[in-house]
Amino acid sequence: QKEVEQNSGPLSVPEGAIASLNCTYSDRVSQSFFWYRQYSGKSPELIMSIYSNGDKEDGRFTAQLNKASQYVSLLIRDSQPSDSATYLCAVNTRRSSASKIIFGSGTRLSIRP
Amino acid sequence: GAVVSQHPSWVICKSGTSVKIECRSLDFQATTMFWYRQFPKQSLMLMATSNEGSKATYEQGVEKDKFLINHASLTLSTLTVTSAHPEDSSFYICSARLLAGRQETQYFGPGTRLLVL
Repeated sequence: QKEVEQNSGPLSVPEGAIASLNCTYSDRVSQSFFWYRQYSGKSPELIMSIYSNGDKEDGRFTAQLNKASQYVSLLIRDSQPSDSATYLCAVNTRRSSASKIIFGSGTRLSIRP
Repeated sequence: GAVVSQHPSWVICKSGTSVKIECRSLDFQATTMFWYRQFPKQSLMLMATSNEGSKATYEQGVEKDKFLINHASLTLSTLTVTSAHPEDSSFYICSARLLAGRQETQYFGPGTRLLVL
């Protein structure tokens, strides 16, 4: 089992709809969770971080965390073509007392006009 | 968010030469930085963890003598690709860890595109 799993997609969503991106992780003691957006040919950009169970909203983005289910998701409301990118889920984990952030392989999101 | 820069943004070199890439945290101190490599249409691959004042920790399969890492200050880490070959052509991205209490976040630099001829 991968430490951080995401569906690779592509996920195709019509413009204006809600895009839902999902991620599961294996390390039960993980405390920090992140969503990064990566446009083609660019480096990842942090868009959301979440540390507590529940929802965290920032503009059109909502991150949801359920530690009991080891599940974190990202909702994008009113999807725009500019949201088309690869979204990376990242989870802080601890290996041999060293803290490290592990990235999923990413979900490609395509917003169709 | 915090700012991380990389230099150069792209480099073309001949096979056999060495290339140095710099990663700087501009508005915060980073005791830990990370180096990633990404091939086209593939996911990020962590190469090594760069620790200020100590040796870097390399991921399995990454040659430490091939990819030299130096983290001499709290705001600068360098990656040197020694004796570069065409198969080393890739997108190299660094990130810096920002610690705020018990919470940590990683911020990425813009990346360096390396082409070895």
